[in-house]
Amino acid sequence: AQKVTQAQTEISVVEKEDVTLDCVYETRDTTYYLFWYKQPPSGELVFLIRRNSFDEQNEISGRYSWNFQKSTSSFNFTITASQVVDSAVYFCALSEAEYNNAGNMLTFGGGTRLMVKP
Amino acid sequence: EAGVTQFPSHSVIEKGQTVTLRCDPISGHDNLYWYRRVMGKEIKFLLHFVKESKQDESGMPNNRFLAERTGGTYSTLKVQPAELEDSGVYFCASSQLQGYEQYFGPGTRLTVT
Repeated sequence: AQKVTQAQTEISVVEKEDVTLDCVYETRDTTYYLFWYKQPPSGELVFLIRRNSFDEQNEISGRYSWNFQKSTSSFNFTITASQVVDSAVYFCALSEAEYNNAGNMLTFGGGTRLMVKP
Repeated sequence: EAGVTQFPSHSVIEKGQTVTLRCDPISGHDNLYWYRRVMGKEIKFLLHFVKESKQDESGMPNNRFLAERTGGTYSTLKVQPAELEDSGVYFCASSQLQGYEQYFGPGTRLTVT
């Protein structure tokens, strides 16, 4: 069975600090996908990134970066120079590949609430 | 291009009543998913449609929940009769291809009193 753990339930930082959100996953599949979503106060889930299990390259998008390490089953998310607008709940999620007949459903972690103070 | 929309945004009903939630996916997305988050718990998968067919309904909690997707366009999720433990936020998502990013709607907050 697949599982996603976000050990940090809440993080508080001051604006301009860097912050890393941890995500650890469990799966028996060799092919899977990892995702990060942002849930701002308005409530919708906003897609941030998708990464497949064969691509361990780190990714950078503006102030956001993601570190995928299969050896430790982690997919951590770093925000550089955080801003107040980054305040939200962030969810890490896992989807097993279709050929394993897992239905491509997302398994979510519990979420990390990030508060960025001015 | 319009995103995933859900109606209503909020619903408050009494235990034993019926409620129907609606989801309109992004146009052209064959894959439609329902998830829910009950208070203090994680977001959990309910079911997955490919066009009008149920691909996976392993997450449906019991037979009080009925989902349909007539014509492969919008989907409805009916809860009948509603129980207190059904309270939570129900999310709908759609994707163009399986395994690819799912785009979520704003959710429907259901409160059963």
